[in-house]
Amino acid sequence: NAGVMQNPRHLVRRRGQEARLRCSPMKGHSHVYWYRQLPEEGLKFMVYLQKENIIDESGMPKERFSAEFPKEGPSILRIQQVVRGDSAAYFCASSSPSGVSSGANVLTFGAGSRLTVL
Amino acid sequence: DQQVKQNSPSLSVQEGRISILNCDYTNSMFDYFLWYKKYPAEGPTFLISISSIKDKNEDGRFTVFLNKSAKHLSLHIVPSQPGDSAVYFCAAGGGGNKLTFGTGTQLKVEL
Repeated sequence: NAGVMQNPRHLVRRRGQEARLRCSPMKGHSHVYWYRQLPEEGLKFMVYLQKENIIDESGMPKERFSAEFPKEGPSILRIQQVVRGDSAAYFCASSSPSGVSSGANVLTFGAGSRLTVL
Repeated sequence: DQQVKQNSPSLSVQEGRISILNCDYTNSMFDYFLWYKKYPAEGPTFLISISSIKDKNEDGRFTVFLNKSAKHLSLHIVPSQPGDSAVYFCAAGGGGNKLTFGTGTQLKVEL
């Protein structure tokens, strides 16, 4: 039973290009979260999605960043016109509806996608 | 605005001794707290959690203590083992499903 699957694990882009990061949640999980870890920093929340809905995008930069979780297929974090400051590890996590309602929402994380912008 | 703080970026402990990792928070709305462990090039893995209605939760070598009045929690690992060497993140949740993470503490357990 695969956990949270993220791809690609490593992505190199030149300034101005687009980056697309994909995340398949754990089986049975319908809540997806994206976090970013900049060098020497902690995990910063970006966005929380359920199928076809963005629930909380309070951590998303206002421009160039978007996320979706379609009815079919993985969740995608899209960064347009990348800049060097976007270089970071992007982690996806998922949780189940029962986890959310149990009182302690334990997120299960993927291994991350490391984006390098040249 | 750092709502969850881990003021010690690193900690070094001898094998067999106790490791104590600390975490402070500012938001009174948090009602549960978690600790995650992270190895290089891997995602964080869940270790242990505690609800705000409790002051202690234990799971094997790991114990989390919560002091609500001080807005402080700590993770105790005893005895510490070399395989415990990793970055430990404190996280808090409540009033929504997302978790807010601290900046992490690098634990090194030496032989």
